[in-house]
Amino acid sequence: QVQLQESGPGQVKPSETLSLTCTVSGASIGTYYWSWIRQAPGEGLEWIGTSHSTESANYNVSLKSRVIMSVDTSNNQFSLKMTSLTTADTAVYYCVRGGQRSWFDPWGQGTLVTVSS
Amino acid sequence: QSVLTQPPSVSGAPGQGVTISCTGSRSNLGANSDVHWYQHLPGSVPKLLIFNNINRPSGVPDRFSASKSGTAASLVITGLQPEDEADYFCQSYDTGLSGSVFGGGTKLTV
Repeated sequence: QVQLQESGPGQVKPSETLSLTCTVSGASIGTYYWSWIRQAPGEGLEWIGTSHSTESANYNVSLKSRVIMSVDTSNNQFSLKMTSLTTADTAVYYCVRGGQRSWFDPWGQGTLVTVSS
Repeated sequence: QSVLTQPPSVSGAPGQGVTISCTGSRSNLGANSDVHWYQHLPGSVPKLLIFNNINRPSGVPDRFSASKSGTAASLVITGLQPEDEADYFCQSYDTGLSGSVFGGGTKLTV
């Protein structure tokens, strides 16, 4: 059974950088595509980007200038870095298995990130 | 505004059925991109309900079915149960954006 678990700070100050890590168990991270998705309060789901261990990452065009994703095969983890945060980035961030051309399953539990001074 | 359009809400009585629509455009559903559906129960994690337009993952009841035609897709839920109350999202790939896109979500009230 594949399981994903996000880790990272629950609160970040405006203009700072968010770093999140997703630890994968039950699957080899080099075998699949991995993505980050977020949901702001009261809003819908937003795909942030997709990474793979041997391919360049793909990002949502609206976030591309602020996002970097990477894969760590030695620790079976993948990560998200988002710079220049604003309050609009306050959301629950999910790590998921799947690429931008396919479905997403399973999902991590999600981590709430609040951008506030 | 979401790239895929869903009604904000639908409702139905227990035992009845509802249909949730998902409307796209020539750059996503109309470009033969597959549609996937998710159920997001309150306080829980989004769960894959339908993949590649019509397929149910193991464990999803056959009360849930879906279809796709042109730039539109639909999720049909029959025999509504109280535990079906949730938000439902459609998702696809947009060739113009070169990325995955979601509908705004539909809140189902039973």
